[in-house]
Amino acid sequence: DIQMTQSPSTLSASVGDRVTITCRASQNVGNFLAWYQQKLGEAPNLLIYMASTLQSGVPSRFSGSGSGTEFTLTISSLQPDDFATYYCQQYQSHSPYTFGQGTKLEIK
Amino acid sequence: QITLKESGPTLVKPTQTLTLTCTFSDFSLTTNGMGVSWVRQTPGKALEWLALIFWDDDKRYSPSLKNRLTISKDTSKNQVVLRMTNVDPGDTATYYCVRRRYDGFWDFWGQGTLVTVSS
Repeated sequence: DIQMTQSPSTLSASVGDRVTITCRASQNVGNFLAWYQQKLGEAPNLLIYMASTLQSGVPSRFSGSGSGTEFTLTISSLQPDDFATYYCQQYQSHSPYTFGQGTKLEIK
Repeated sequence: QITLKESGPTLVKPTQTLTLTCTFSDFSLTTNGMGVSWVRQTPGKALEWLALIFWDDDKRYSPSLKNRLTISKDTSKNQVVLRMTNVDPGDTATYYCVRRRYDGFWDFWGQGTLVTVSS
């Protein structure tokens, strides 16, 4: 199975900060990488797919980059609504689909 | 508007079989490339993919749970069913169904259903 490792596990930041979360894959997943935001008690919500394509309706302060084995999610200017847990996921069709362990974004 | 909703028991006894149903709307599992996955999330933990069924009835399973899972679909009812045999307390989790688009990524999630395994 492809292992997905996110860093950091927890991130403390303030409103207005620029933050970056990293996701590393144990094997090449091409661009088949998605990012989700999950708030407490809710289902995950798709933010980014194909590593860098913003899902419809997602604010433009979110962006994704990378390919192969290293990916990043960047929030350009944190808003109060952004404090949540973020997960990466690889969805290569010929592999078991795996998620990162999550990054909890907390208010500093 | 695309929606998915999970249903099933909230409490299951150890060794029993868990059956969950995902009922969806505004898309069809007869569309080329479409699929529905099941994912679970144990309390306070990360997400674990369980199974995926495609429009052509191709099925994929998590290797670690393959022997205990069966996924099936009823396109006339817009439903996908997941069966998990021989449950134990470690299967206590929120179970989600998710739509897989024809181009591979997963976009719409159900609200999730919490299943507790306890005697």
